[in-house]
Amino acid sequence: GQQVMQIPQYQHVQEGEDFTTYCNSSTTLSNIQWYKQRPGGHPVFLIQLVKSGEVKKQKRLTFQFGEAKKNSSLHITATQTTDVGTYFCAGRGQAGTALIFGKGTTLSVSS
Amino acid sequence: NAGVMQNPRHLVRRRGQEARLRCSPMKGHSHVYWYRQLPEEGLKFMVYLQKENIIDESGMPKERFSAEFPKEGPSILRIQQVVRGDSAAYFCASSPQGTSGGSSYEQYFGPGTRLTVT
Repeated sequence: GQQVMQIPQYQHVQEGEDFTTYCNSSTTLSNIQWYKQRPGGHPVFLIQLVKSGEVKKQKRLTFQFGEAKKNSSLHITATQTTDVGTYFCAGRGQAGTALIFGKGTTLSVSS
Repeated sequence: NAGVMQNPRHLVRRRGQEARLRCSPMKGHSHVYWYRQLPEEGLKFMVYLQKENIIDESGMPKERFSAEFPKEGPSILRIQQVVRGDSAAYFCASSPQGTSGGSSYEQYFGPGTRLTVT
């Protein structure tokens, strides 16, 4: 079945450093969504990418969708302590109805 | 506008008992999704329901698990004869619609129910 893989599983950075998490799917995706989950909290929607090669920005966050629609990345510039949490990508296959989540990348930031 | 509500927030069951988890979607949302999350794991899709219909249950274990979303009232995830391996956080999410062309609607998650089986 469809699988979505994320790397790295954990990332620790100093405040002000950049951070990137990568997401790869075993099959071509119809779209990909990104969510953030704070420790002890629930996932919160960040963004959706639909088009091949699409790039979207939200302040210090940049999201990319690969040309083949099989991979995606989230880049955070100049991390802050408020960026702490686990970032999940979730993809929907061409024929599927379900969102398949990656295992997430847990970001910790020290000041 | 209240968000997605789940209750109970914490549930403790002994092995062999039944667990019932409830989810009230956001107002105006008719699509509900259930996920299971184990510690340091991602969210594993279980089932997708629309009012009175199961749309996709490809992630549901074949035995002991069932879900419903009646015309009136919350969606219910039911686990019969619970075992220790069922201990996890169960999240419900809702969306106003499912998909539209190549795009999916964002999902709004509830706070989750933490199930502990002793």
